[in-house]
Amino acid sequence: QSALTQPASVSGSPGQSITVSCTGASSDVGSYVSWYQQHPGKAPKLMISDVSHRPSGISDRFSGSKSGNTASLAISGLQADDEADYYCSSYTNSGTHVFGTGTKVTVL
Amino acid sequence: EVQLVESGGALVKPGGSLRLSCAASGFTRNPFSYAWMSWVRQAPGKGLEWVGRIKSKSDGGKTDYAAPVKGRFAISRDDSENTVFLQMNSLKAEDTAVYYCTTGIVGAATLDSWGQGTLVTVSS
Repeated sequence: QSALTQPASVSGSPGQSITVSCTGASSDVGSYVSWYQQHPGKAPKLMISDVSHRPSGISDRFSGSKSGNTASLAISGLQADDEADYYCSSYTNSGTHVFGTGTKVTVL
Repeated sequence: EVQLVESGGALVKPGGSLRLSCAASGFTRNPFSYAWMSWVRQAPGKGLEWVGRIKSKSDGGKTDYAAPVKGRFAISRDDSENTVFLQMNSLKAEDTAVYYCTTGIVGAATLDSWGQGTLVTVSS
């Protein structure tokens, strides 16, 4: 199973909106796409599940969507604390997980 | 709140073996015995890589592994101790990574609870 493809980096100024994409084969990017935020030296944190579901406690500035074989994470009202690495993940038909290559989000 | 605490990380020589443990607590919605437990690793400066998963015994207890570790790593569980294990054999330098224990409380498709990770270094 190949990793899902993400841009290496995305940046934006405070208050702006950014989008991080996640692309794979059509069979790889299905209904069970999740997004994780990881600050340096910390464990990943779930931000979005099932393409667009926001778990309790996650800011509504974070949203997820999918079109064809590309999933996207949008962050609006960019804040300094949003600076982190972001990973998409897809749950496969065989019950395994495949992660994206990761995107470093920088707040300018 | 679910808590996962990994232990067992160490410096080991190539070709050696190591067993990691993950102690789980706080399973109030469903007992630990129902949880599907996964291991995910992250090499220094690199991205996340799913290593493998063990299903609950009630779901057959099946294990699945990523291609790079298949045949060398084995996941097991002790539901009486709320603990999952990762036995790593024939270790290679490229297995050097922080290893995270993780699970999905609301469903198998989402990894919503993570441990803090334990570092495994494979070097001579």
